[in-house]
Amino acid sequence: EPEVTQTPSHQVTQMGQEVILRCVPISNHLYFYWYRQILGQKVEFLVSFYNNEISEKSEIFDDQFSVERPDGSNFTLKIRSTKLEDSAMYFCASLKGAGAYEQYFGPGTRLTVT
Amino acid sequence: KQEVTQIPAALSVPEGENLVLNCSFTDSAIYNLQWFRQDPGKGLTSLLLIQSSQREQTSGRLNASLDKSSGRSTLYIAASQPGDSATYLCAVSDGGAQKLVFGQGTRLTINP
Repeated sequence: EPEVTQTPSHQVTQMGQEVILRCVPISNHLYFYWYRQILGQKVEFLVSFYNNEISEKSEIFDDQFSVERPDGSNFTLKIRSTKLEDSAMYFCASLKGAGAYEQYFGPGTRLTVT
Repeated sequence: KQEVTQIPAALSVPEGENLVLNCSFTDSAIYNLQWFRQDPGKGLTSLLLIQSSQREQTSGRLNASLDKSSGRSTLYIAASQPGDSATYLCAVSDGGAQKLVFGQGTRLTINP
């Protein structure tokens, strides 16, 4: 069964460094999302992406964040200058569209900023 | 702004019991409601999706109902098993492909 994959599973970085989190959505899906979950808190929306552009972003998704679909399979989230408060589990999700609206989530990348 | 609340925050029951998890949302103008399972340190596994025009969905021992007008959904788990132990999350969307807004989850423990 097709699934969303994410790499790496765990990333440790120093404050101020740039990180890129990678996701491979399900191949025939059209909508892509990033969410994050700070330890012990709710899963919260960051950004949605459709037709090669951002369709919606939350107030969390400031100028330090960017997303890209560099080829036909990968979907990336870049944090330019990480802060301690960026430490969280980051989830990628995809949705097929065209009447199929179930979001499928990847296993997540645990980002630890020291 | 949509807010999603799940009660109880934690639940512990003996194996074999039937149980109900609750989810409420403040804005009834939703398009979808989705129930997920999350194991510790893991990703989210989709269990059931209910569209706003539906009243319930079933998958195996799971049954989810939706009362959109009152802003509530329930997840019914029949004949619970230790393998059902996990955190259960509900999330709503106000458009077909719009973002999900999550509740804080119910941490379920099934005791053998």
